[in-house]
Amino acid sequence: NAGVTQTPKFRILKIGQSMTLQCAQDMNHNYMYWYRQDPGMGLKLIYYSVGAGITDKGEVPNGYNVSRSTTEDFPLRLELAAPSQTSVYFCASRRPGQGLDYGYTFGSGTRLTVV
Amino acid sequence: DQQVKQNSPSLSVQEGRISILNCDYTNSMFDYFLWYKKYPAEGPTFLISISSIKDKNEDGRFTVFLNKSAKHLSLHIVPSQPGDSAVYFCAAMNNNDMRFGAGTRLTVKP
Repeated sequence: NAGVTQTPKFRILKIGQSMTLQCAQDMNHNYMYWYRQDPGMGLKLIYYSVGAGITDKGEVPNGYNVSRSTTEDFPLRLELAAPSQTSVYFCASRRPGQGLDYGYTFGSGTRLTVV
Repeated sequence: DQQVKQNSPSLSVQEGRISILNCDYTNSMFDYFLWYKKYPAEGPTFLISISSIKDKNEDGRFTVFLNKSAKHLSLHIVPSQPGDSAVYFCAAMNNNDMRFGAGTRLTVKP
């Protein structure tokens, strides 16, 4: 059982480039989330999805896009990379109805640097 | 607006003693509170949670206390072990909006 898998683990982008951060889970979780963590700060929610075809903005969505075509995958797209998007990105998932006694399951993160 | 605050960036305790990590929040609409543990180069791992209708939840060496009137929660680890050394994040939730504190780095010395 792999849990939540994020790829790539590291990436360096030039300003203005675009890329997609991949996230896949094999736990049949309906709810999926994208967070970013800046140095010395807590995680901030970028986007989330409650099921295939349904996405919604979180606290810091500007500069990002998401899609959810399947239950398993929730990619995060950066269209025009900016230095302010240098961060560590975490994907997470949970099963609805299981309550929050188990929290979210997080991936190991993608460290992105924009130069 | 930082709705969840962990005012101590670091904490150092001796093995076998109690570790107390603190967290304050400002939004009274939060209905669930969680603690996560994070090792370097890994994602956060869920540790323990508490509903807003309770004031204490215990799981082995870990106990979370919630004081709603003070908008404060704490995580107690007894006894502390060197393997507990990590960054601990406090989180608070309302619907699908989970807000995190900045984390406290706990070091347990042998």
